[in-house]
Amino acid sequence: EPEVTQTPSHQVTQMGQEVILRCVPISNHLYFYWYRQILGQKVEFLVSFYNNEISEKSEIFDDQFSVERPDGSNFTLKIRSTKLEDSAMYFCASSLRRTSGLTDTQYFGPGTRLTVL
Amino acid sequence: GESVGLHLPTLSVQEGDNSIINCAYSNSASDYFIWYKQESGKGPQFIIDIRSNMDKRQGQRVTVLLNKTVKHLSLQIAATQPGDSAVYFCAENLASGGSYIPTFGRGTSLIVHP
Repeated sequence: EPEVTQTPSHQVTQMGQEVILRCVPISNHLYFYWYRQILGQKVEFLVSFYNNEISEKSEIFDDQFSVERPDGSNFTLKIRSTKLEDSAMYFCASSLRRTSGLTDTQYFGPGTRLTVL
Repeated sequence: GESVGLHLPTLSVQEGDNSIINCAYSNSASDYFIWYKQESGKGPQFIIDIRSNMDKRQGQRVTVLLNKTVKHLSLQIAATQPGDSAVYFCAENLASGGSYIPTFGRGTSLIVHP
């Protein structure tokens, strides 16, 4: 069964450093998403991406964050200057384009644990 | 309901029992709801969904009930198995720009004892 993959599984970085989290969505999906989950807290939506541009973004997704689909398979989340409070699990998800009458089920990857020291 | 701090509400059941997990959502305009299962160290996994024009939907061993009057959602798991042990959370969705943007609850930890 196709699945979303993410690398690395764990990333440790120093405060102020840039990190890039990578995701390979399911191959025929067209919508891509990033979420984060701080330890013990709710999953929080960060951004959705369709047709090479951001569709929606939350208040969390400030100028320190950016997303990119550099090729036909990868979807990346970049944090330019990490802060301690960026430490969290980051989940990528993908879905088929929603069409009339069909649901927009998102399939999640296993996550990348980001630790900012 | 939800707990303060890091501790999730916990439901402990015996293998073979039926489980009911509840969720209160916040936005009366939400029109699409999803239940997710999250096992330790893994990403959320879709279980079942329901649209606001329905009040009940059944899947394999799972049933979701929606009460829009009181903004309440429940997940019923029949004949619970040890492999069902996980954190379960609901997500309410508002349609936005052709895609649903979910807002997640904190979840309930289900522990199934063999």
